[in-house]
Parts: sequence; C-alpha cells; structure tokens
Amino acid sequence: DAGVIQSPRHEVTEMGQEVTLRCKPISGHDYLFWYRQTMMRGLELLIYFNNNVPIDDSGMPEDRFSAKMPNASFSTLKIQPSEPRDSAVYFCASIPSLAGGHNEQFFGPGTRLTVL
Amino acid sequence: GENVEQHPSTLSVQEGDSAVIKCTYSDSASNYFPWYKQELGKRPQLIIDIRSNVGEKKDQRIAVTLNKTAKHFSLHITETQPEDSAVYFCAAITGGGNKLTFGTGTQLKVEL
Repeated sequence: DAGVIQSPRHEVTEMGQEVTLRCKPISGHDYLFWYRQTMMRGLELLIYFNNNVPIDDSGMPEDRFSAKMPNASFSTLKIQPSEPRDSAVYFCASIPSLAGGHNEQFFGPGTRLTVL
Repeated sequence: GENVEQHPSTLSVQEGDSAVIKCTYSDSASNYFPWYKQELGKRPQLIIDIRSNVGEKKDQRIAVTLNKTAKHFSLHITETQPEDSAVYFCAAITGGGNKLTFGTGTQLKVEL
C-alpha cells in the first residue's frame, strides 16, 4: 500500500484565494483525520470522518474552512478565502476500524501551505 | 475535553546518554497513549504506544511508562544516537473515542 497520499505537497497562494487540499486514505481505513501543524499551536485536529461522515468538526477554526469526504478514498479540505495566518502544514491521517482496538494513526506526507 | 501537557520543550543530550520526556493528561477516561516521532520536514510516525491497562512497555531502546493515578506518562530513550534527534509528541485518546490530543512536542537533540 502506498500509505496516505496528499496533494499538493506544497502550495503557495495569495490572500483571498481559494485553496483545496486533497487526501487519499489507506485502502480499508474508515477513519480520516485532518490536522494543522504550526510552530505556535502545534498539531491541532481540525475534523475527522468515520465512513465518510463528519463526526467532529469542533477544531475547524472558522467558516472559511470546510471539509468533505465524498467517498471512502478521497477527502478535501478547502479554505475560502485564504489568509496569511492559515499558513501551516496540513496533515491527513487515517486508521482502520477500531474493532481490533488498534488506534495507530497513519499520517500522510503533509501539504505545506503558504498564503502571501 | 482532553488537555495534554508535555515537558521539556527542548532537550539536549550527549550520544549514549538517556533521554526522558514527560506528559500529563487531564481526562481520566483516556485509555490510549501513543508517542510520535517527527523528523524535520517529515510526517509524524508512531514509535511506541501504551494502553491504560499496562504500566510499562518496552521496545528495544525505547520504553513508555504510565501512571494512571497521577495521570502522567513518560518516554524513555536509552543509549541515544544522533538519529534519535527529532521532535517527539505524546498524545492521549479518550475512551471510546478516536480523537487524539497531542502535546506540544519536545525537540530532542543528540550531540556527538
């Protein structure tokens, strides 16, 4: 398996533009998480899905952020409009069903977003 | 919600020495405590984890201890090597849930 795949790996955009980050979880994993990492705030959970359904979006900072998971193999995180303070590394992670009690989260390589 | 505190924020040791990183958590229902290692520019990767029904777990040079009463857990790295240099994150997950709360990270530097 190729692991969790994220695209793009790097994104540079100007303030006010729409940004879409993409994630493909590991096949068979039915939980998907979006995190944001900054020096100031560390690793923050933004939202997570179970079987394509958003379960907890309490970490989504503002209405400018939205996330979708139209199917089991694809999720997007959208920022519209983007602001310089959104600059961060965004990670996607996935885990399989907890039936086996296994909680390890497998992280993607991340998308480094810079908003000018 | 869960709150995880991690100390120290930076740690510098000589090669061959031991390193200890400590974390505390607030939610007594938390039952799973992983440790992630993140090298510069890379993704966090799980290095060891412990569940609340276990007090200690070892894997070669790394070990984790858990004190449920005091609500703290620690990562111990023995015989440190330069390749151990990275940022280490502790985390906690609340029972029945899937939401990991991460500590703020410890930058470990192993000096030759």
